[in-house]
Amino acid sequence: EVQLVESGGGLVQPGGSLRLSCAASAFTFSLHSMNWVRQAPGKGLEWVAYISTSSNTIYYADSVKGRFTISRDNAKNSLYLQMNSLRADDTAVYYCARGPLSTVFYYYYMDVWGKGTTVTVSS
Amino acid sequence: QSVLTQPPSGSGTPGQRVTISCSGSSSNIGTNNLNWYQQLPGTAPKLLLYNNNQRPSGVPDRFSGSKSGTSASLAISGLQSEDEADYYCAAWDDSLNGPVFGGGTKLTVL
Repeated sequence: EVQLVESGGGLVQPGGSLRLSCAASAFTFSLHSMNWVRQAPGKGLEWVAYISTSSNTIYYADSVKGRFTISRDNAKNSLYLQMNSLRADDTAVYYCARGPLSTVFYYYYMDVWGKGTTVTVSS
Repeated sequence: QSVLTQPPSGSGTPGQRVTISCSGSSSNIGTNNLNWYQQLPGTAPKLLLYNNNQRPSGVPDRFSGSKSGTSASLAISGLQSEDEADYYCAAWDDSLNGPVFGGGTKLTVL
């Protein structure tokens, strides 16, 4: 079964750091772009970061640019999100989501999602 | 403030046909394909429709989508109680270099 499993969430103080991981299984991870998407309590979905198959292209939402770093290790079938200078408004469930086989953004969608990991930023 | 605009709520009775609208701009819906996600209570989002009107395997044909210009809509026919969920539209935005979402529509089955 195609699966994404996030881990690494937890409680962190404002200004602190956290590293999220996403383990992929049952598909060729290296052929798919990947994303992090978050959902604050009671709010809608917010895209956070995108990484291409070979890590050549990386995009971030303005809200996290300069603070978060997305990366991947195709040999380990894993996606990561390094989060620094965390703020209270970063509190959310963080999902990793798979992009399609196509590299054309015209056709872009996220077809497999993990169950999410919860990040709480509070003193 | 979400880049794509959806009504915050909607409702219908079992068997009814309901629609959910989504509007955007030339940099997202006007240029790229539109996708819909369904989020059942307490669960992760699930891809419902992609490339405007394509259904992933396992999604009933009661769900359909359309797009015209910078607007799109999701239609659910033969509404069922299990359709009660939050629905999000999304599309790649060429100006922001990333996918953008609507604020979500909470659908209630009366």
